[in-house]
Amino acid sequence: DAGITQSPRHKVTETGTPVTLRCHQTENHRYMYWYRQDPGHGLRLIHYSYGVKDTDKGEVSDGYSVSRSKTEDFLLTLESATSSQTSVYFCASSPGQGIGGNTIYFGEGSWLTVV
Amino acid sequence: RKEVEQDPGPFNVPEGATVAFNCTYSNSASQSFFWYRQDCRKEPKLLMSVYSSGNEDGRFTAQLNRASQYISLLIRDSKLSDSATYLCVVNLKGINAGNMLTFGGGTRLMVKP
Repeated sequence: DAGITQSPRHKVTETGTPVTLRCHQTENHRYMYWYRQDPGHGLRLIHYSYGVKDTDKGEVSDGYSVSRSKTEDFLLTLESATSSQTSVYFCASSPGQGIGGNTIYFGEGSWLTVV
Repeated sequence: RKEVEQDPGPFNVPEGATVAFNCTYSNSASQSFFWYRQDCRKEPKLLMSVYSSGNEDGRFTAQLNRASQYISLLIRDSKLSDSATYLCVVNLKGINAGNMLTFGGGTRLMVKP
């Protein structure tokens, strides 16, 4: 398993507050991703990064921003949390090249509740 | 139409049974295909990649049918520990578009004693 850690693992926050989720990987993977998973929707891509300071939007990026200042770290920020952002957030990474380059490895997830 | 579609199930099967799941995808240019397994309240984990010629890993066999745009997963001799949700994953934009993988909604399998 790839070494991907997320923090915090569980968080309860109030509507309107900013929240930052952190992802750290030790595999020197080029690509990193943030997904959310909700019943009835499956895993949906929020943002992804293809290198340091190189990021792009995914399918459900509204209300989220990301930053990647180092290869190993990828931060997801909810600028002003809303109840619709209550979800499980998974960070993932992939090598991006070579055999198995497309294989994605996931962190353990961050459970976020917005009240 | 969803880009990657799976029957959500649940598939309820007895131990020892053989069960198969299909997953259809919309883009004929897709290049990479995977099956992931996800246990309740856990992260998805790679079960197997799917190759054009089909591939087998123990009790698990994956097939790709490009003409009909689906992949399949066959599980033989089901174990209680196989109970999980199986996610179909496809690179919809083709190999030159980077790692833009799209997940199906998952098929839930419950293996009963």
